Amino acid sequence: DTAVSQTPKYLVTQMGNDKSIKCEQNLGHDTMYWYKQDSKKFLKIMFSYNNKELIINETVPNRFSPKSPDKAHLNLHINSLELGDSAVYFCASSKHRDQPQHFGDGTRLSIL
Amino acid sequence: RKEVEQDPGPFNVPEGATVAFNCTYSNSASQSFFWYRQDCRKEPKLLMSVYSSGNEDGRFTAQLNRASQYISLLIRDSKLSDSATYLCVVNWGSNYKLTFGKGTLLTVNP
Repeated sequence: DTAVSQTPKYLVTQMGNDKSIKCEQNLGHDTMYWYKQDSKKFLKIMFSYNNKELIINETVPNRFSPKSPDKAHLNLHINSLELGDSAVYFCASSKHRDQPQHFGDGTRLSIL
Repeated sequence: RKEVEQDPGPFNVPEGATVAFNCTYSNSASQSFFWYRQDCRKEPKLLMSVYSSGNEDGRFTAQLNRASQYISLLIRDSKLSDSATYLCVVNWGSNYKLTFGKGTLLTVNP
């Protein structure tokens, strides 16, 4: 069973579109995260939720909106996609905020 | 000073070699430390946590020096399968934000 699963794995779309990426974890963890890894391979946190409450919100354009319907799910919606949004987006979860994180296998977003 | 800095690499070593990676962090209030491994086009995976007293897991040894704000990872008897990018990760603050280093690429050659 996949511990942290993201869908879709690949997302190719045009500039200006709106898209969503879904994430689910079956580990019973309290905290979930979204990261962006750009072409230079630098991994940077975007958001974190703890028990459905937003606890980290880095300097991310407000076109990006996370939603956590329950503590097992953290989805990421992106409005008006731009070329610079092309990256790999990783979802992760941890049992508690100070524990190691388990990552999903990433969503590769390409903007045409 | 960057929050988490690692050796730039890349490291190319023969099988069986011993290789060491270093990492420094800027925030003295940092609370927990990890090494992650990321294979090409894959997700980061936890390799090991780093404890104040140092810890070992098979061929891997991690050390922490809080006074110098320095973390290290030693890999003994390198295997081809150790080829990957190694990420130094530091956790601090009331919201326990993980900050990743840029990673060091290791290639183990036959």
